[in-house]
Amino acid sequence: DGGITQSPKYLFRKEGQNVTLSCEQNLNHDAMYWYRQDPGQGLRLIYYSQIVNDFQKGDIAEGYSVSREKKESFPLTVTSAQKNPTAFYLCASSVGGAYNEQFFGPGTRLTVL
Amino acid sequence: KQEVTQIPAALSVPEGENLVLNCSFTDSAIYNLQWFRQDPGKGLTSLLLIQSSQREQTSGRLNASLDKSSGRSTLYIAASQPGDSATYLCAVSGGGTSYGKLTFGQGTILTVHP
Repeated sequence: DGGITQSPKYLFRKEGQNVTLSCEQNLNHDAMYWYRQDPGQGLRLIYYSQIVNDFQKGDIAEGYSVSREKKESFPLTVTSAQKNPTAFYLCASSVGGAYNEQFFGPGTRLTVL
Repeated sequence: KQEVTQIPAALSVPEGENLVLNCSFTDSAIYNLQWFRQDPGKGLTSLLLIQSSQREQTSGRLNASLDKSSGRSTLYIAASQPGDSATYLCAVSGGGTSYGKLTFGQGTILTVHP
């Protein structure tokens, strides 16, 4: 089946820890995105990548980092610098270009203990 | 800065009703508009994509329209069913935002009761 997978489904982080969220796609899409969803605030863009080895900051990149070493993978690291990381994280991909439809993964719920 | 607003925030209807969800955006220079469905605790499922040059798109019982000049879109759901209960999100690409970025509304929570 073609699609986007995210792991883990649930993740718990202690104060001061870095954690990495996985996002993999087998759709052969060039562009990938990370969004954060908080109750009552909708989805906000963290980082996006239009092509391998290139990525740009979104609206709320502080405290996060990404890499794009392979076309199918776009992991997100939530660092200790992110002061309020508890949220639902969604990864998306598209063929590329502003006109293309974005497809989303099932999400990872991160909770800070 | 692009802003997207969805009205109403919540809607409860009896099964079988036709209903309309509204989405408005502040910058009409968009590339496209997408409607999504989200079930509790799940990811987003793309329902319809309307390019900026199009006026409407249809998929089964769903019909989405776009009036770019007035900054509005509607999602029409015909003959609603309990399985349609979910949160519906609209998002626009473009309008002064980063390349390919989607700007989302806060969603309409739909409940269809038997």
